[in-house]
Amino acid sequence: DQQVKQNSPSLSVQEGRISILNCDYTNSMFDYFLWYKKYPAEGPTFLISISSIKDKNEDGRFTVFLNKSAKHLSLHIVPSQPGDSAVYFCAANDPLTGTASKLTFGTGTRLQVTL
Amino acid sequence: NAGVTQTPKFQVLKTGQSMTLQCAQDMNHNSMYWYRQDPGMGLRLIYYSASEGTTDKGEVPNGYNVSRLNKREFSLRLESAAPSQTSVYFCAGGMNTEAFFGQGTRLTVV
Repeated sequence: DQQVKQNSPSLSVQEGRISILNCDYTNSMFDYFLWYKKYPAEGPTFLISISSIKDKNEDGRFTVFLNKSAKHLSLHIVPSQPGDSAVYFCAANDPLTGTASKLTFGTGTRLQVTL
Repeated sequence: NAGVTQTPKFQVLKTGQSMTLQCAQDMNHNSMYWYRQDPGMGLRLIYYSASEGTTDKGEVPNGYNVSRLNKREFSLRLESAAPSQTSVYFCAGGMNTEAFFGQGTRLTVV
């Protein structure tokens, strides 16, 4: 039972255009959502996040939108650049008792930005 | 400041062999995690440690054991490796809701 889903395994976008990566979740207890970027042979790196009490967070070319009623979030990259080509993982935080939190990841979307 | 360091980077094991994946962080995080990444499966949590001296199972703990040796180090042990454990393993340190990952260990079990 996958609680975080990224239904598009791959996406190809031209340089300068907008990239939109989507993510759906099923657990209404998730309180925080994150996007990670991963290059081959490297570990995932944090990109941007959003709290469940907000519907939008922006950081430079990256914007994350959250629609809680639809249990859907999306990452917008504008304008897309060739260096953005990577695998993007959506993750959701499951709050636990105590000090730890637990991230549940989606399966990833491979973004290719073409010239 | 290396962040999260994993050793080894690559390993090939024969079925039934044992080995320990090492992870150390210099970011003073209380929480540490072990994930595995498989094609089409994303990253799945194996074990985590909320603080020094505590460990808990994640989504796919079977076949693994962990030790939180101190605040810096969190090791993952495969007692009897199986081909199904062929994967890329990532260790992470975390604080609140953000996790910082190491570069990964690519493990092949033949």
